[in-house]
Amino acid sequence: TQLLEQSPQFLSIQEGENLTVYCNSSSVFSSLQWYRQEPGEGPVLLVTVVTGGEVKKLKRLTFQFGDARKDSSLHITAAQPGDTGLYLCARRGTGANNLFFGTGTRLTVIP
Amino acid sequence: EPEVTQTPSHQVTQMGQEVILRCVPISNHLYFYWYRQILGQKVEFLVSFYNNEISEKSEIFDDQFSVERPDGSNFTLKIRSTKLEDSAMYFCASSEALRAGGQFFGPGTRLTVL
Repeated sequence: TQLLEQSPQFLSIQEGENLTVYCNSSSVFSSLQWYRQEPGEGPVLLVTVVTGGEVKKLKRLTFQFGDARKDSSLHITAAQPGDTGLYLCARRGTGANNLFFGTGTRLTVIP
Repeated sequence: EPEVTQTPSHQVTQMGQEVILRCVPISNHLYFYWYRQILGQKVEFLVSFYNNEISEKSEIFDDQFSVERPDGSNFTLKIRSTKLEDSAMYFCASSEALRAGGQFFGPGTRLTVL
């Protein structure tokens, strides 16, 4: 199945709090990308994870790829209002050349 | 930092009219893509393009759609006879490599079909 389930769908937190969002599938990923999209703009690539168990850090963002390569998480430490946006995970689609996106987690960080 | 650019940012057209959406991918990238996002819905793959030909397309990309790389820098999406349901954000993307690497998206063209 191509389903990519992201949770939670919506998340609203206070500035300075930590949060984790999840991306899950029943099938194995060869690789997974995380993107952030702001209203009226295109998705912006944050990271690509390839190896099971891989952890990548991007400033206050920590991305983890599950050992079995079926799930991934994004943890944000000390969230800032600038982190507000739609966080999307994406995997290779049915072919080699396309991305299949999850439905996203819409994060709002309240100052 | 190199980026994908798209023009126009917003296009309004009448149903049945042809539209051409334009993109300039990142200059050293070899793979080009179009995606669309209907308001409030997921980003959906339309087509990928490599070596001057379509390498893959989705079921959305029917005979009304075509893509072209008319010169060394532009990549276009043409919709021959627009329908109301074609109203969406259309994103162009490009990538350097096929496997593992991420795709870089442009800011999108908002197409409104009246």
